[in-house]
Amino acid sequence: EVQLVESGGSLVQPGGSLRLSCVASGFTFSNYWMYWVRQAPGKGLMWVSHINGDGTSTRKADSVKGRFTISRDNAKNTLYLQMKGLRAEDTAVYFCARALLGEVVPSAIGYWGPGTLVTVSS
Amino acid sequence: QPVVTQSSSASASLGSSVKVTCTLSSGHSNYIIAWHQQQPGKAPRFLMKLDGRGNYNKGSGIPDRFSGSTSGADRYLSISNLQTEDEADYYCETWDDYTQVFGGGTTLTVL
Repeated sequence: EVQLVESGGSLVQPGGSLRLSCVASGFTFSNYWMYWVRQAPGKGLMWVSHINGDGTSTRKADSVKGRFTISRDNAKNTLYLQMKGLRAEDTAVYFCARALLGEVVPSAIGYWGPGTLVTVSS
Repeated sequence: QPVVTQSSSASASLGSSVKVTCTLSSGHSNYIIAWHQQQPGKAPRFLMKLDGRGNYNKGSGIPDRFSGSTSGADRYLSISNLQTEDEADYYCETWDDYTQVFGGGTTLTVL
């Protein structure tokens, strides 16, 4: 069974930093594109960033460029999102997600974690 | 990059059927999309992947009441025999090599 469990969310002051983690199990982690998607309170889903299976290809949304960095440790089956320069508008639940299929290009999201809440406030 | 547009809300009676629409932007009418369901207070759940010819592949455990179809740039999620647990937000998703895109979501109310 595919399982994704995020951690690291907390209350942080504007301008601060935070690192989110997502531990994966139930599949061969290195075979899949992985994603971070966020959802601000009462709003819809917004893609943040994604990374390919060996970590050599990443993409991120314009709103987080220069501030957020996605990475992975395939030996630990763990996905990360390093966030710096946090703003109030980054307040959201952050979901870790896995591609539906083990393809060499990005594709549909097939599995979601329960999410972790990041609150940016003074 | 592709854009997907959804109506913000839909409603239908318990036991009836409903069709939720996702429209792809000009020049992207052949794109594959995915539908996700998000029940109140829960994480999203993958429902199905749907291509431009109307072929769809559902996720594990998704009831037969859920199906997909296509007409041009429109991608549809149909739900028959509506149940109370179908009351949720429904999101369509598409992608290219550089970005992943979600529609604004459709809130389905079961009357």
